[in-house]
Amino acid sequence: GAVVSQHPSWVICKSGTSVKIECRSLDFQATTMFWYRQFPKQSLMLMATSNEGSKATYEQGVEKDKFLINHASLTLSTLTVTSAHPEDSSFYICSAVVVEGNNQPQHFGDGTRLSIL
Amino acid sequence: SQQGEEDPQALSIQEGENATMNCSYKTSINNLQWYRQNSGRGLVHLILIRSNEREKHSGRLRVTLDTSKKSSSLLITASRAADTASYFCATDATGGFKTIFGAGTRLFVKA
Repeated sequence: GAVVSQHPSWVICKSGTSVKIECRSLDFQATTMFWYRQFPKQSLMLMATSNEGSKATYEQGVEKDKFLINHASLTLSTLTVTSAHPEDSSFYICSAVVVEGNNQPQHFGDGTRLSIL
Repeated sequence: SQQGEEDPQALSIQEGENATMNCSYKTSINNLQWYRQNSGRGLVHLILIRSNEREKHSGRLRVTLDTSKKSSSLLITASRAADTASYFCATDATGGFKTIFGAGTRLFVKA
C-alpha cells in the first residue's frame, strides 16, 4: 500500500518551455504532498508543501511564480516549472503522507529528471 | 548547518560485512527516520524511531537513538550487494512541521 506515482520520469526540453510534473497517490488520499529538488550526490531540498484545496506553502528562496503547485484533488498534486532555463535542470521528487502530523513517514514517487537545453 | 548530518559520507564494504551509518542532529526531536534511495529513484522509508525509544529492529536493520548525544545510528547486518544505495536520516524539530533530511551516506557493497 501507500504507492505514489510520479510522471514523467524524464523530461528534456528547450529553454523557455513550461514543464508539468504530476504526483499521484494511487491507493490512499493525501491531504498533504511535498515537492523536493535534489542535486547530484546531495540531499533533498524541500521546495514546497502542497495542501489539497489551498495554496501551497513555499520554502524561503523558492519562487512561487516559477514553480507553480496545484493540489486540486486528494490524489493529485502538480508542479509546473514555468519558462524553464538550464539552471532549473535537476531531479524533482514528490512525496505524500498517509498520516498527518510531525515528521510522519513519507511515501515517495520515483522522481522526475528534468534537463533543460 | 542542517538538522541531520550523516557520517561517513561514503562507505565501501564487502558483501557479508556490517555497515554502520551515523546521524547527528542539533535540536530536540519528536522522532527520527531512516530512508534509502537507490540511484535515480525516490526514497523508501526504512524505519522510524520515536524520541522515547532507544533501539529498534527491522529485519537486518538496527537503529539506535541517543537523545542525550543527539545522535542515531543505522546498522545493516550481513550486507548484500543490493544494499548499495544512499541512506538518509530525517528529523523534525519539536513543535516543527517540516521533515529535514541529512546529507546522506552513500553505501557501496562489493560482491
